[in-house]
Amino acid sequence: QEQLVQSGAEVKQPGASVKVSCTASGYTIANYYVHWIRQAPGQGVEWMGWISPNSGGTSYAQKFQGRVTVTRDTSINTVYMDLNRLRSDDTAVYYCARDHITFWSGYSFDYWGQGTLVTVSS
Amino acid sequence: QSALTQPASVSGSPGQSITISCTGTSSDVGGYNYVSWYQQVPGKAPRLMIYEVGNRPSGVSNRFSGSKSGNTASLTISGLQAEDEADYYCCSYTANNRGVFGTGTKVTVL
Repeated sequence: QEQLVQSGAEVKQPGASVKVSCTASGYTIANYYVHWIRQAPGQGVEWMGWISPNSGGTSYAQKFQGRVTVTRDTSINTVYMDLNRLRSDDTAVYYCARDHITFWSGYSFDYWGQGTLVTVSS
Repeated sequence: QSALTQPASVSGSPGQSITISCTGTSSDVGGYNYVSWYQQVPGKAPRLMIYEVGNRPSGVSNRFSGSKSGNTASLTISGLQAEDEADYYCCSYTANNRGVFGTGTKVTVL
């Protein structure tokens, strides 16, 4: 049974950084792209970036370039999303999601984590 | 990359069919057959309903169908049911090998 389990809620001050983890079970992250997607309160969903399964290469939305870093540790089947220089408008639920095709990204996300609420407030 | 354009809301009576549009450009929706659709109920993660324009994952009702014409993709829900009331989002691959979601559509079953 494939599953993605994310780390717990975080409260951060403006200017700080946050690191959210996403641990896969039932499959290996080395075979699938993992994407990060966020949703601000009462707003729509927003694509942030991905990490590739074989090379570990990354791609990020232009909006987050320079502020976000996605990494992985294949030994523990976990992907991480680091967002720095946090602002109040970064308050959102952050989701990791698996692409449904092996070794390719068709931007179709079949398994999602439960979401991690990151609150940025002074 | 601007969000894909969806109507803010669509409504229909039980048993009717509704269609949600998702309009982009030739650099995303119009240029590739990598459009997916998601259903989201409050407090839950989105659920994949359609991938690669018109394909349904296993477990998704055949009342949901997808299509594309030019720069606009569409999700049709036939035989509308109360359980279909949710927010719906489209997503597309873009020319820069990035992704973009739609603005979201709230579906109300009257």
